Amino acid sequence: EAQVTQNPRYLITVTGKKLTVTCSQNMNHEYMSWYRQDPGLGLRQIYYSMNVEVTDKGDVPEGYKVSRKEKRNFPLILESPSPNQTSLYFCASSLPGLAGGGTTGELFFGEGSRLTVL
Amino acid sequence: QKEVEQDPGPLSVPEGAIVSLNCTYSNSAFQYFMWYRQYSRKGPELLMYTYSSGNKEDGRFTAQVDKSSKYISLFIRDSQPSDSATYLCAMSSSGGYNKLIFGAGTRLAVHP
Repeated sequence: EAQVTQNPRYLITVTGKKLTVTCSQNMNHEYMSWYRQDPGLGLRQIYYSMNVEVTDKGDVPEGYKVSRKEKRNFPLILESPSPNQTSLYFCASSLPGLAGGGTTGELFFGEGSRLTVL
Repeated sequence: QKEVEQDPGPLSVPEGAIVSLNCTYSNSAFQYFMWYRQYSRKGPELLMYTYSSGNKEDGRFTAQVDKSSKYISLFIRDSQPSDSATYLCAMSSSGGYNKLIFGAGTRLAVHP
């Protein structure tokens, strides 16, 4: 089954305690991305990766790190979490672009990781 | 001002009603338009995808793009309780997912 798998799904942590949210996809997609979803603000992109070893900042990258050492995995690292990083996080993957190549324009999302930082 | 505006609702309708969900945007360069549906405790999933202007129909769903007014709509005919979800519009100018801008989402509840 084609899927994007995130872990953990729920996490409560304390300020300053480093954590990693893992993301893995089994669709051989080049493109992967992390979003956070907050009430009234919708989905905002944190970081994205066009392929292995190629990552770039999205709209809200402060306080986060990513790496893409393998095509299937794209972990999100919070080196020193703060309460303002309490949010619902989504990993997503897709083929490279919306246009051409027969793509349907579909971005595949994981089920989300709800993070609370106390 | 946000690039994409979407009324958060909630919108509550009776089963069988026609639902209209809308987004307005400010960037005239947007040309790729999508609607995603998000059930509670799940990730968003693509519902409709439209390039440039015009209408697109898929079963009970119709997506409409009016670039002159910078306005997109999603219509749901014969709404069902299973349509209860949050609907997110998304759009891009470049054709790349790295520049995909999402609306805040509209919560829809269809009651029997």
